[in-house]
Amino acid sequence: AQRVTQPEKLLSVFKGAPVELKCNYSYSGSPELFWYVQYSRQRLQLLLRHISRESIKGFTADLNKGETSFHLKKPFAQEEDSAMYYCALSGRDSNYQLIWGAGTKLIIKP
Amino acid sequence: NAGVTQTPKFQVLKTGQSMTLQCAQDMNHEYMSWYRQDPGMGLRLIHYSVGAGITDQGEVPNGYNVSRSTTEDFPLRLLSAAPSQTSVYFCASSPGQGNYEQYFGPGTRLTVT
Repeated sequence: AQRVTQPEKLLSVFKGAPVELKCNYSYSGSPELFWYVQYSRQRLQLLLRHISRESIKGFTADLNKGETSFHLKKPFAQEEDSAMYYCALSGRDSNYQLIWGAGTKLIIKP
Repeated sequence: NAGVTQTPKFQVLKTGQSMTLQCAQDMNHEYMSWYRQDPGMGLRLIHYSVGAGITDQGEVPNGYNVSRSTTEDFPLRLLSAAPSQTSVYFCASSPGQGNYEQYFGPGTRLTVT
């Protein structure tokens, strides 16, 4: 079954602390993995995709095919990182539609 | 270039009423999708389209209809609104042709009483 799991509904860390948002997936083929972010009262927007292997706003994510994970990391959290974060995957088996995790709300405390 | 636009931003319906949520994109994207977003459940796919004239059901299609007569427009129709359809609805589009990054509209907040 195709599935994306984000085990934490809420993650709260202090400003300057490291952040790791977990994402695990179940997929039979070779998926493309994404992280989307939704800031308060704004639309969802793409943060990262694994094929681009770039760092956006200090965030990175590495696809670990052995552990079927795509965790999102940032070494030093900033208050403006507070948002909802969604992990998603796409692939041939889903007709290239995105399969979404339930999301993690990240709160950065001052 | 407006991207993905949705109207209305807010709507209140009574049970049994029907209405259409509008979605348009000006990026010539092949793929368009409708999602609903509910607390603790993330985004759930309602219907999607891989091109003009082609639509398919997603995870939660019951109570909704779509059509795709043009590349630009992808309206979502609620046939007979129910309180369970109270949600935030997002429309998204993606280029297709190997690029499946989705671009989202601002959302429509629907309340059914």
